[in-house]
Amino acid sequence: GAVVSQHPSRVICKSGTSVKIECRSLDFQATTMFWYRQFPKQSLMLMATSNEGSKATYEQGVEKDKFLINHASLTLSTLTVTSAHPEDSSFYICSARTSGLQYFGPGTRLTVL
Amino acid sequence: AQSVTQPDIHITVSEGASLELRCNYSYGATPYLFWYVQSPGQGLQLLLKYFSGDTLVQGIKGFEAEFKRSQSSFNLRKPSVHWSDAAEYFCAVGGQKSSGDKLTFGTGTRLAVRP
Repeated sequence: GAVVSQHPSRVICKSGTSVKIECRSLDFQATTMFWYRQFPKQSLMLMATSNEGSKATYEQGVEKDKFLINHASLTLSTLTVTSAHPEDSSFYICSARTSGLQYFGPGTRLTVL
Repeated sequence: AQSVTQPDIHITVSEGASLELRCNYSYGATPYLFWYVQSPGQGLQLLLKYFSGDTLVQGIKGFEAEFKRSQSSFNLRKPSVHWSDAAEYFCAVGGQKSSGDKLTFGTGTRLAVRP
């Protein structure tokens, strides 16, 4: 149980385009999901907390207009990287919270050319 | 503010040897503590957690960790390492309502296993 999926697993895009990443809780409902960013050989940095039916809460230094988060249902949150640039290339990981624990997705590798 | 320190960036052990990964935390109240493992290019898998009660917690894959309040530590141990344990290990603190359910991760310890 408590499986979280992400789609796509890898995406390559051109600079200036937008990319949408989906995070789904497959066998449970999650009112709260989290989005993290991980640079190579570094730790996970929390970007934002996504609450179903309300606006996401962004961490300090994260541009909310650049990283759009939508938590439209209890099983789906999306992260859209708008006008992506090479410095946005990273590994993005989501998690979904249930029963006091966060369960993590497998991550999405974004490469912006 | 909550924080986690993992002093060892990289550790190499021989297969069959014992392992201890260090983790120190800073938290204003009784912490919730976690150890996660990440294989290359993958998400995180929960190894074990401490919420309260017995300070020695057992996890999956033969791992255990001991919460020591006096030392603000939550070190991860395994008596005999297998080659498949080679991965990145992250200690984390938080996850409580008082912290907005947020987890704060350490910088990770990369474990290599010698044959």
